[in-house]
Amino acid sequence: AQSVAQPEDQVNVAEGNPLTVKCTYSVSGNPYLFWYVQYPNRGLQFLLKYITGDNLVKGSYGFEAEFNKSQTSFHLKKPSALVSDSALYFCAVRRYSGAGSYQLTFGKGTKLSVIP
Amino acid sequence: GAGVSQSPSNKVTEKGKDVELRCDPISGHTALYWYRQSLGQGLEFLIYFQGNSAPDKSGLPSDRFSAERTGGSVSTLTIQRTQQEDSAVYLCASSLGGSYSNQPQHFGDGTRLSIL
Repeated sequence: AQSVAQPEDQVNVAEGNPLTVKCTYSVSGNPYLFWYVQYPNRGLQFLLKYITGDNLVKGSYGFEAEFNKSQTSFHLKKPSALVSDSALYFCAVRRYSGAGSYQLTFGKGTKLSVIP
Repeated sequence: GAGVSQSPSNKVTEKGKDVELRCDPISGHTALYWYRQSLGQGLEFLIYFQGNSAPDKSGLPSDRFSAERTGGSVSTLTIQRTQQEDSAVYLCASSLGGSYSNQPQHFGDGTRLSIL
């Protein structure tokens, strides 16, 4: 079964420092991986995705993610954190659920707090 | 509108009552998804519509839950005889579907349902 794991419930980082939010995956075949961000009382917003190609994927708001096949990881990174980056981050993997239907399976989320 | 619109934004109802939640997807998006987000539980897939195909109902937790999508656009999620464990945020998302199954999903801000 396709799944993702986010091993950290919470990540704290000082403003201006680099940040990493971890995600590992378990899939059969080639993974299609996504990162989303959720601000309080809002829906999820798409940040970036990995389908194929370069292992370093660049996305919105200065975020990037590195696909590592040998470590089955897709960690989200940003060189310099902003207080406004404080939010809940979700990793997701596409899975095939039959009859031409594709779904996303989400991790449980990681709460990022950027400290001024 | 430009984004996915959900109504109402908040709904409080008594146990045993029926509720209807509405989702208006982005124009031109043929795929529509419903998720449930409970505190500390991440996102739980409920149901998926793609064009005129039969919906993927594999995530519906019980027969009290049902959903319709009329005219390939607006969708309604209905919960009958609500229970306290139905309290959650219900999120709707839409995307370009079919052969664009690796396209990101765009989320509404959700309906926060509270069962007294």
